[in-house]
Amino acid sequence: AQSVAQPEDQVNVAEGNPLTVKCTYSVSGNPYLFWYVQYPNRGLQFLLKYITGDNLVKGSYGFEAEFNKSQTSFHLKKPSALVSDSALYFCAVRGSMDSSYKLIFGSGTRLLVRP
Amino acid sequence: NAGVMQNPRHLVRRRGQEARLRCSPMKGHSHVYWYRQLPEEGLKFMVYLQKENIIDESGMPKERFSAEFPKEGPSILRIQQVVRGDSAAYFCASSPQGQGSEAFFGQGTRLTVV
Repeated sequence: AQSVAQPEDQVNVAEGNPLTVKCTYSVSGNPYLFWYVQYPNRGLQFLLKYITGDNLVKGSYGFEAEFNKSQTSFHLKKPSALVSDSALYFCAVRGSMDSSYKLIFGSGTRLLVRP
Repeated sequence: NAGVMQNPRHLVRRRGQEARLRCSPMKGHSHVYWYRQLPEEGLKFMVYLQKENIIDESGMPKERFSAEFPKEGPSILRIQQVVRGDSAAYFCASSPQGQGSEAFFGQGTRLTVV
């Protein structure tokens, strides 16, 4: 069965510092990995995805994520955090061997960037 | 290209009534997903549909909940005889064909059962 783990409920970082939001996964076959962000009372917005190719993928708003197959991880990163990055972040996975196209989401990590 | 449209945005129902949540996918998208989110929690997968077919409903309660995605018109998530525990935000997402395709989300319907 597919699963996604986001081990941190909340990540606190000072503005201007680098940030990392962690994600590990378990799937059948190759993983298709996604990061989404959710602002209060809004739907989820797509940030970036890993399908194949370079392990470092770049996405919206200066975010990037690094795929590590041996550690089954897909951590979200940003070199310099902004206060406006404060939001709820979700990692999601879909497995290539899964006949269903469903996306499984992690429990979410709240990012708080202090001025 | 309009995004995923969900309506209503807010829905209040008394216990025992029926709730109907509608979702119009993005143009050209043939896959629709429904998720439920409780306050301060993650998204729980409910059901995945393609046109006229339910592909995976493993996350949907067996009783009172049903979903459809007809050939014409929006996808509908129906909750019969609602109870207080059904109060949540329900999100719909759509994607085109392809396992590597990202899903695009609607703004959600916030259901409150009183």
